[in-house]
Amino acid sequence: NAGVTQTPKFQVLKTGQSMTLQCAQDMNHEYMSWYRQDPGMGLRLIHYSVGAGITDQGEVPNGYNVSRSTTEDFPLRLLSAAPSQTSVYFCASTPTGGFGGYTFGSGTRLTVV
Amino acid sequence: GEDVEQSLFLSVREGDSSVINCTYTDSSSTYLYWYKQEPGAGLQLLTYIFSNMDMKQDQRLTVLLNKKDKHLSLRIADTQTGDSAIYFCAERARELVFGAGTILRVKS
Repeated sequence: NAGVTQTPKFQVLKTGQSMTLQCAQDMNHEYMSWYRQDPGMGLRLIHYSVGAGITDQGEVPNGYNVSRSTTEDFPLRLLSAAPSQTSVYFCASTPTGGFGGYTFGSGTRLTVV
Repeated sequence: GEDVEQSLFLSVREGDSSVINCTYTDSSSTYLYWYKQEPGAGLQLLTYIFSNMDMKQDQRLTVLLNKKDKHLSLRIADTQTGDSAIYFCAERARELVFGAGTILRVKS
C-alpha cells in the first residue's frame, strides 16, 4: 500500500548510542519532514526537506541529523542519544503545492535509558 | 512566531455534538487542518480548510474559520465512542505547526 513507512516501530537505546530512524515514501512527494511528539506538547518539527539534496532545520533540531539523497528516503540520525530524546517520532510527506495534506507514518517509539 | 493553542480535554455523551476549538497566531496561514490520533497510531487527516473559506462541511464534520479572530473549530455531529481520540489543530504557513491536541472522551 502506498504511504509513509517508518522503521523500527520501537527502539530502546542506551545514553550515548547512535541510531538511524528510517522513513520511506512511495508517493513521489517532494516534501518530507520529521516530528517528535511529547505528552502535552503536540508535534514539534525537527528537520524537513523540500526535495532531494535539500534539508533544513525545524523548531527542535539539536541532537539530530538528516540527509535526503533520494526522493523516497529521509532518515533521521541520533548521533549520541540522550534521555531527553525519549519520544515518539513521526515522519510525514506531502507534495509541494496543492493543499498540503501531510501523510504521516505510524511512528517510532524511542526510549533512551 | 507561529503558535497554535487548543483546550486539552473535552468530554461528551454519545449522540451529542462535540466542538473542539483552536486559536492560531500566523495570519499568513494558507491552510488549516484537523488531524485525529487514536492510541498507538499515527495522525490521520480528518479535514482541512483553505484560509479564504469560513466554513466547510464533510459528513459529520463541520469546520468553522474566523480569520479575523484567528479561531478555528471542529464540530462533530452525533459523536460516537469511536470518535474518542486526540484531535490536533494545525496551521500551515511556511511549515505545518501543531497545537498540543485535545483529548476527546465520549461516554456511552
